[in-house]
Amino acid sequence: EDQVTQSPEALRLQEGESSSLNCSYTVSGLRGLFWYRQDPGKGPEFLFTLYSAGEEKEKERLKATLTKKESFLHITAPKPEDSATYLCAVQASNDYKLSFGAGTTVTVRA
Amino acid sequence: EAGVAQSPRYKIIEKRQSVAFWCNPISGHATLYWYQQILGQGPKLLIQFQNNGVVDDSQLPKDRFSAERLKGVDSTLKIQPAKLEDSAVYLCASSAGASNTGELFFGEGSRLTVL
Repeated sequence: EDQVTQSPEALRLQEGESSSLNCSYTVSGLRGLFWYRQDPGKGPEFLFTLYSAGEEKEKERLKATLTKKESFLHITAPKPEDSATYLCAVQASNDYKLSFGAGTTVTVRA
Repeated sequence: EAGVAQSPRYKIIEKRQSVAFWCNPISGHATLYWYQQILGQGPKLLIQFQNNGVVDDSQLPKDRFSAERLKGVDSTLKIQPAKLEDSAVYLCASSAGASNTGELFFGEGSRLTVL
């Protein structure tokens, strides 16, 4: 069974204080790894897809990287509007279903 | 472009009662998903439709949950009878194309509280 573990569970940052979120996964062949952002009371919003080790994707202050066993979401100089729960999901090569982690809740204080 | 629409946003019921949730996906999206998100957990897939056919319902508790997607457009998810552990947010999502690329568009969800 596919497993996705995200750490830390919660992260409190000062505005401008860069940090990284971790997503470690166990899957029988990776088709893709996905990052989503979820605001309170809303559905998840797609951010990135990563397909192979060494791949990187960037969007504004966010940068996602992928290795063979984990992915990192780097937040550079965060702003209060970056406060959200960040979800990681994997898709196995033999299944189209997405398996989500529990998420990391990021709070950025001004 | 209109997003995924869901209703109702909130529902409170007693255990053993029934409830139904409705979803209208983004226009033209062939694939529709229902996810269950329990507080503090990530979303878990309940059922996936391709047009009006079921692709994956392996994690749907079929003794109490049912879902349908008539005419390949909107969908309903029903729970009957509800249990306390069904308290969760029920998220509907859709995606374009015949295969799941992993880029899903989610609605705002329907929050169910079972007392």
